[in-house]
Amino acid sequence: DGGITQSPKYLFRKEGQNVTLSCEQNLNHDAMYWYRQDPGQGLRLIYYSQIVNDFQKGDIAEGYSVSREKKESFPLTVTSAQKNPTAFYLCASSASTGLAQPQHFGDGTRLSIL
Amino acid sequence: QKEVEQNSGPLSVPEGAIASLNCTYSDRGSQSFFWYRQYSGKSPELIMFIYSNGDKEDGRFTAQLNKASQYVSLLIRDSQPSDSATYLCAVNNAGNNRKLIWGLGTSLAVNP
Repeated sequence: DGGITQSPKYLFRKEGQNVTLSCEQNLNHDAMYWYRQDPGQGLRLIYYSQIVNDFQKGDIAEGYSVSREKKESFPLTVTSAQKNPTAFYLCASSASTGLAQPQHFGDGTRLSIL
Repeated sequence: QKEVEQNSGPLSVPEGAIASLNCTYSDRGSQSFFWYRQYSGKSPELIMFIYSNGDKEDGRFTAQLNKASQYVSLLIRDSQPSDSATYLCAVNNAGNNRKLIWGLGTSLAVNP
Protein backbone atom coordinates (compact mmCIF):
# COMPACT_ATOMS: atom_id res chain seq x y z
CA ASP A 1 0.00 0.00 0.00
CA GLY A 2 1.23 3.48 -0.82
CA GLY A 3 1.58 5.82 2.08
CA ILE A 4 3.68 7.81 4.48
CA THR A 5 5.45 6.14 7.39
CA GLN A 6 6.56 8.11 10.40
CA SER A 7 8.65 6.65 13.18
CA PRO A 8 8.80 6.39 16.06
CA LYS A 9 5.22 6.90 17.18
CA TYR A 10 6.39 8.23 20.56
CA LEU A 11 9.74 9.82 21.38
CA PHE A 12 11.24 11.22 24.53
CA ARG A 13 14.02 13.78 24.56
CA LYS A 14 16.44 14.49 27.34
CA GLU A 15 17.69 17.97 28.06
CA GLY A 16 20.40 19.02 25.60
CA GLN A 17 19.77 16.10 23.28
CA ASN A 18 19.09 16.15 19.54
CA VAL A 19 16.50 13.70 18.27
CA THR A 20 15.59 12.71 14.72
CA LEU A 21 12.10 11.89 13.48
CA SER A 22 11.84 9.67 10.44
CA CYS A 23 9.47 10.18 7.49
CA GLU A 24 9.37 7.87 4.47
CA GLN A 25 6.89 7.92 1.57
CA ASN A 26 6.32 5.54 -1.32
CA LEU A 27 3.79 7.71 -3.16
CA ASN A 28 6.44 9.02 -5.57
CA HIS A 29 5.60 12.54 -4.40
CA ASP A 30 8.08 15.32 -5.07
CA ALA A 31 7.08 17.61 -2.19
CA MET A 32 7.37 16.78 1.51
CA TYR A 33 6.51 18.78 4.60
CA TRP A 34 6.96 18.84 8.35
CA TYR A 35 4.33 20.37 10.62
CA ARG A 36 4.01 20.81 14.32
CA GLN A 37 0.65 20.71 16.09
CA ASP A 38 0.12 21.89 19.66
CA PRO A 39 -3.14 21.47 21.61
CA GLY A 40 -5.67 24.08 20.55
CA GLN A 41 -3.41 25.38 17.80
CA GLY A 42 -3.42 24.85 14.09
CA LEU A 43 -0.81 23.16 11.98
CA ARG A 44 2.40 25.16 11.78
CA LEU A 45 4.87 24.54 8.99
CA ILE A 46 8.43 23.80 10.07
CA TYR A 47 10.21 22.94 6.80
CA TYR A 48 9.24 21.81 3.34
CA SER A 49 11.03 20.39 0.34
CA GLN A 50 9.93 20.52 -3.27
CA ILE A 51 12.72 18.40 -4.70
CA VAL A 52 15.65 16.26 -3.64
CA ASN A 53 18.59 18.19 -2.16
CA ASP A 54 16.48 21.32 -1.68
CA PHE A 55 14.36 22.51 1.22
CA GLN A 56 12.92 25.76 2.56
CA LYS A 57 12.17 27.08 6.02
CA GLY A 58 8.57 27.28 7.05
CA ASP A 59 7.08 29.56 9.68
CA ILE A 60 8.77 28.03 12.74
CA ALA A 61 12.11 26.59 11.56
CA GLU A 62 14.24 27.76 14.49
CA GLY A 63 15.59 24.84 16.50
CA TYR A 64 14.93 22.30 13.72
CA SER A 65 16.91 20.93 10.79
CA VAL A 66 16.08 18.67 7.85
CA SER A 67 17.71 16.89 4.94
CA ARG A 68 16.37 15.57 1.64
CA GLU A 69 18.96 13.23 0.19
CA LYS A 70 16.40 10.85 -1.30
CA LYS A 71 12.99 11.49 -2.82
CA GLU A 72 11.40 9.03 -0.40
CA SER A 73 12.88 10.37 2.82
CA PHE A 74 12.64 13.67 4.73
CA PRO A 75 13.95 13.31 8.30
CA LEU A 76 13.49 16.06 10.86
CA THR A 77 16.01 16.72 13.64
CA VAL A 78 14.80 18.52 16.72
CA THR A 79 17.90 20.15 18.16
CA SER A 80 18.68 21.19 21.72
CA ALA A 81 18.10 24.78 20.59
CA GLN A 82 14.35 24.06 20.39
CA LYS A 83 13.36 24.93 23.94
CA ASN A 84 9.73 23.80 23.75
CA PRO A 85 9.76 20.67 21.59
CA THR A 86 6.81 18.87 23.17
CA ALA A 87 4.25 18.55 20.37
CA PHE A 88 2.66 16.29 17.77
CA TYR A 89 4.86 16.22 14.65
CA LEU A 90 3.27 15.49 11.30
CA CYS A 91 4.97 14.67 8.03
CA ALA A 92 3.08 15.13 4.77
CA SER A 93 3.74 14.79 1.06
CA SER A 94 2.11 15.97 -2.14
CA ALA A 95 2.54 15.69 -5.87
CA SER A 96 3.96 18.77 -7.54
CA THR A 97 1.86 20.07 -10.43
CA GLY A 98 0.43 23.41 -11.42
CA LEU A 99 -2.33 23.81 -8.87
CA ALA A 100 -1.61 23.11 -5.22
CA GLN A 101 -2.14 19.41 -4.66
CA PRO A 102 -3.60 17.75 -1.57
CA GLN A 103 -1.16 16.92 1.17
CA HIS A 104 -1.30 13.41 2.62
CA PHE A 105 -0.17 12.82 6.18
CA GLY A 106 1.63 10.14 8.11
CA ASP A 107 0.37 8.97 11.50
CA GLY A 108 2.58 11.43 13.38
CA THR A 109 5.19 11.32 16.12
CA ARG A 110 4.52 12.55 19.66
CA LEU A 111 7.60 14.10 21.20
CA SER A 112 7.88 14.73 24.91
CA ILE A 113 10.59 15.99 27.24
CA LEU A 114 11.95 13.71 29.97
CA GLN B 1 -1.24 38.24 7.25
CA LYS B 2 -2.98 35.59 5.20
CA GLU B 3 -5.62 33.85 7.26
CA VAL B 4 -8.15 31.08 7.20
CA GLU B 5 -11.01 31.44 9.68
CA GLN B 6 -13.23 28.69 11.01
CA ASN B 7 -15.78 28.67 13.81
CA SER B 8 -14.17 26.56 16.53
CA GLY B 9 -17.51 25.08 17.61
CA PRO B 10 -18.41 22.68 18.94
CA LEU B 11 -21.07 22.22 16.30
CA SER B 12 -23.60 19.71 17.55
CA VAL B 13 -26.06 17.97 15.21
CA PRO B 14 -28.36 14.98 15.65
CA GLU B 15 -27.67 11.76 13.82
CA GLY B 16 -29.06 11.83 10.29
CA ALA B 17 -29.01 15.63 10.01
CA ILE B 18 -26.94 17.80 7.68
CA ALA B 19 -23.81 19.31 9.22
CA SER B 20 -22.61 22.55 7.65
CA LEU B 21 -19.03 23.67 8.23
CA ASN B 22 -17.79 27.02 7.01
CA CYS B 23 -14.41 28.54 6.25
CA THR B 24 -13.44 32.03 5.09
CA TYR B 25 -10.07 33.03 3.72
CA SER B 26 -8.28 36.32 3.18
CA ASP B 27 -5.95 35.56 0.23
CA ARG B 28 -8.01 36.51 -2.83
CA GLY B 29 -5.49 34.78 -5.13
CA SER B 30 -5.97 31.35 -3.56
CA GLN B 31 -7.02 28.67 -6.02
CA SER B 32 -6.94 25.39 -4.11
CA PHE B 33 -9.14 24.51 -1.15
CA PHE B 34 -8.98 21.43 1.03
CA TRP B 35 -11.04 19.85 3.78
CA TYR B 36 -9.46 17.44 6.24
CA ARG B 37 -10.94 15.43 9.09
CA GLN B 38 -8.90 14.88 12.25
CA TYR B 39 -9.99 12.49 14.96
CA SER B 40 -8.69 13.17 18.45
CA GLY B 41 -5.09 12.04 18.75
CA LYS B 42 -4.80 11.15 15.07
CA SER B 43 -3.37 12.78 11.99
CA PRO B 44 -5.48 14.75 9.47
CA GLU B 45 -7.02 12.80 6.60
CA LEU B 46 -8.13 14.38 3.34
CA ILE B 47 -11.87 14.45 2.72
CA MET B 48 -12.20 16.63 -0.35
CA PHE B 49 -10.56 19.33 -2.39
CA ILE B 50 -12.07 21.86 -4.74
CA TYR B 51 -10.60 24.25 -7.27
CA SER B 52 -13.60 25.73 -9.10
CA ASN B 53 -16.55 27.82 -7.97
CA GLY B 54 -19.64 25.81 -7.26
CA ASP B 55 -20.34 22.46 -5.66
CA LYS B 56 -18.38 19.23 -5.67
CA GLU B 57 -19.98 16.09 -4.29
CA ASP B 58 -18.37 12.90 -3.04
CA GLY B 59 -20.70 10.49 -1.32
CA ARG B 60 -22.21 12.15 1.74
CA PHE B 61 -19.84 15.12 1.45
CA THR B 62 -20.30 18.28 -0.62
CA ALA B 63 -17.76 21.07 -0.85
CA GLN B 64 -19.03 24.48 -1.92
CA LEU B 65 -16.72 27.24 -3.11
CA ASN B 66 -17.53 30.91 -3.62
CA LYS B 67 -14.39 32.79 -4.59
CA ALA B 68 -16.14 36.16 -4.88
CA SER B 69 -17.20 35.95 -1.25
CA GLN B 70 -14.02 34.12 -0.23
CA TYR B 71 -15.62 31.23 1.54
CA VAL B 72 -15.65 27.49 1.22
CA SER B 73 -18.01 25.18 3.03
CA LEU B 74 -18.38 21.47 3.68
CA LEU B 75 -21.77 19.81 3.98
CA ILE B 76 -22.09 16.38 5.53
CA ARG B 77 -25.42 14.69 4.77
CA ASP B 78 -26.91 11.94 6.92
CA SER B 79 -24.40 12.70 9.69
CA GLN B 80 -23.20 9.70 11.67
CA PRO B 81 -21.61 9.52 15.13
CA SER B 82 -18.42 8.40 13.36
CA ASP B 83 -18.30 11.85 11.72
CA SER B 84 -17.59 13.39 15.13
CA ALA B 85 -14.15 14.93 14.70
CA THR B 86 -12.39 18.23 14.05
CA TYR B 87 -12.63 19.46 10.46
CA LEU B 88 -9.72 21.48 9.14
CA CYS B 89 -9.92 23.87 6.21
CA ALA B 90 -6.74 24.62 4.25
CA VAL B 91 -6.16 27.06 1.42
CA ASN B 92 -3.13 27.43 -0.80
CA ASN B 93 -0.87 30.42 -0.39
CA ALA B 94 -1.25 32.25 -3.71
CA GLY B 95 2.29 33.58 -3.46
CA ASN B 96 3.77 30.12 -2.87
CA ASN B 97 1.79 27.25 -4.32
CA ARG B 98 3.53 24.67 -2.18
CA LYS B 99 2.37 26.16 1.12
CA LEU B 100 -1.05 25.78 2.66
CA ILE B 101 -2.67 28.15 5.12
CA TRP B 102 -4.56 26.20 7.77
CA GLY B 103 -7.59 27.07 9.83
CA LEU B 104 -7.79 26.02 13.46
CA GLY B 105 -10.64 23.64 12.77
CA THR B 106 -14.29 23.19 13.72
CA SER B 107 -15.20 20.51 16.22
CA LEU B 108 -18.27 18.51 15.15
CA ALA B 109 -20.29 16.31 17.49
CA VAL B 110 -22.97 14.05 16.00
CA ASN B 111 -25.36 12.89 18.68
CA PRO B 112 -27.07 9.47 18.40
